[in-house]
Amino acid sequence: DTAVSQTPKYLVTQMGNDKSIKCEQNLGHDTMYWYKQDSKKFLKIMFSYNNKELIINETVPNRFSPKSPDKAHLNLHINSLELGDSAVYFCASSQDLTGWRGELFFGSGTQLSVL
Amino acid sequence: QKEVEQNSGPLSVPEGAIASLNCTYSDRVSQSFFWYRQYSGKSPELIMSIYSNGDKEDGRFTAQLNKASQYVSLLIRDSQPSDSATYLCAVMGDSSYKLIFGSGTRLLVRP
Repeated sequence: DTAVSQTPKYLVTQMGNDKSIKCEQNLGHDTMYWYKQDSKKFLKIMFSYNNKELIINETVPNRFSPKSPDKAHLNLHINSLELGDSAVYFCASSQDLTGWRGELFFGSGTQLSVL
Repeated sequence: QKEVEQNSGPLSVPEGAIASLNCTYSDRVSQSFFWYRQYSGKSPELIMSIYSNGDKEDGRFTAQLNKASQYVSLLIRDSQPSDSATYLCAVMGDSSYKLIFGSGTRLLVRP
């Protein structure tokens, strides 16, 4: 069983479209994240939810909207896609924040290509 | 200014050699430091964490931390071709629930 699974693995779309990426974890973790990795391998946090509550919202365009229906799921919806949104998006999870020691469990990533 | 800096490489070493990967960080209050390994086309995975000055060893891996110099390093002894990957340095601040990653150093171990 995959611990952190995200779908789809590849997403190719046109500029201006709206798309969603889904993420689910079966580790029983309380905290989930979205990270964006650009072509230079720079991995940057976008959002974090702890038990369905938004706790980190970096300076991300408001075209990006995360949703956490429960603590095992964190989805990412992107409106009006732009060329610069092309990247690999990683979902991750961790144990609750109390005493968190920095270990993240990543999903396999979604390669988004905006044409 | 980048918060976590790494040389992008590639760092090329022969099989059996020691690979030395370096990282500097800008936030003096950072308390926790990590090395993640990412194979091409795969997701990052945690391989080492270090929280206090000095060395921490785990098998062939040794993490070194010098908070005064704001410097973290990872040594890989007896490098194997299977160690070829990108190594990401990550830092967690004192009151932060997020990791700040460097852009990674690509390591190539030649057979």
